[in-house]
Amino acid sequence: GAVVSQHPSRVICKSGTSVKIECRSLDFQATTMFWYRQFPKQSLMLMATSNEGSKATYEQGVEKDKFLINHASLTLSTLTVTSAHPEDSSFYICSAKGGVPNEKLFFGSGTQLSVL
Amino acid sequence: GNSVTQMEGPVTLSEEAFLTINCTYTATGYPSLFWYVQYPGEGLQLLLKATKADDKGSNKGFEATYRKETTSFHLEKGSVQVSDSAVYFCALMNRDDKIIFGKGTRLHILP
Repeated sequence: GAVVSQHPSRVICKSGTSVKIECRSLDFQATTMFWYRQFPKQSLMLMATSNEGSKATYEQGVEKDKFLINHASLTLSTLTVTSAHPEDSSFYICSAKGGVPNEKLFFGSGTQLSVL
Repeated sequence: GNSVTQMEGPVTLSEEAFLTINCTYTATGYPSLFWYVQYPGEGLQLLLKATKADDKGSNKGFEATYRKETTSFHLEKGSVQVSDSAVYFCALMNRDDKIIFGKGTRLHILP
């Protein structure tokens, strides 16, 4: 079945550094990818929607300069947390929409980001 | 706006007990409804879904019925197993493909 690979699964970084998270659809072309973040004991909150070849659409309250999203191909989207701070520590998860004949939504396994 | 409210956990049950996790929603239009499950150390997996009123989604012994009159989509299972221990998320999706999640309910099943 269709699989979405998200990498890395866990990252620890120093405050002020940038972190890139990759989301790949392994055996289907993803027309749309979504990025979510989840704080402890909270729901997953949609951050942005990205379509291949166009700029991402960010949800209200999400800083586009802070969370850079690049959907360079139909199988890869990246989220870069720039100049990370401890308050950016969270669980980030991507999902990809695609598949033939019926489009479905598949989730990656998530990335736990800890900023020291 | 759209929102999903589900019962807070953690929920702790003994093996073979009956499970209900309540979920209600607020939405414009006619959303699709989902239950996702997150096992320890893993990503989200779709458990079941229903796309219109009175539809019943089912999978792995779990069931949920789309109740438009009560705007609910409660998750049930007749006999839970230790392996069902996980976090369960109720969610809705409108035509824009954006999924709105509830806060999740952690389920512990004791042997």
